[in-house]
Amino acid sequence: EAQVTQNPRYLITVTGKKLTVTCSQNMNHEYMSWYRQDPGLGLRQIYYSMNVEVTDKGDVPEGYKVSRKEKRNFPLILESPSPNQTSLYFCASWNRWGQPQHFGDGTRLSIL
Amino acid sequence: GIQVEQSPPDLILQEGANSTLRCNFSDSVNNLQWFHQNPWGQLINLFYIPSGTKQNGRLSATTVATERYSLLYISSSQTTDSGVYFCAVEDKAAGNKLTFGGGTRVLVKP
Repeated sequence: EAQVTQNPRYLITVTGKKLTVTCSQNMNHEYMSWYRQDPGLGLRQIYYSMNVEVTDKGDVPEGYKVSRKEKRNFPLILESPSPNQTSLYFCASWNRWGQPQHFGDGTRLSIL
Repeated sequence: GIQVEQSPPDLILQEGANSTLRCNFSDSVNNLQWFHQNPWGQLINLFYIPSGTKQNGRLSATTVATERYSLLYISSSQTTDSGVYFCAVEDKAAGNKLTFGGGTRVLVKP
């Protein structure tokens, strides 16, 4: 089954404790992206990747890192999480421009 | 960047009613998708419809690209249709990100 898998689905942690949210897709898609969803602000892009070792900033990259060492994986790294990064995060993948984007089930992060 | 506006922002329906949700966008697009966000937060991909009409069960969608709008039709609504409906368009000039509309929150009452 074609899917985008995010882990964990839920996480409560504390300020400053490094965390990684993993994202994996099994569709051999070239493009991947991270979004965050906040009340009143909608979904905003954090980072995206056009292929292995090619990444670029989205609208709200501050406080986040990404890497794309393999085509299927695109982890989101919070080196020193802060409470303003409490949000619902989505990973997406797609094949090329003009094709549908496939979303993971979301990761709900709470930073205390 | 592309602007995406959805209307109405909120919709309350009686079970069995029909409804139409609208999405207007400010520029030509090659990708338009409709999503349903369920109460658990999952984004369910309903349609990929940059132009034309598609149907999936009680849901259908029409995009008129030349006039820059898309419509999502819900027929014979059920309580499980409750949630937030988003349309999103791809901004090729901005890293192919999807720009989402503000959503239409739908509540279907039994």
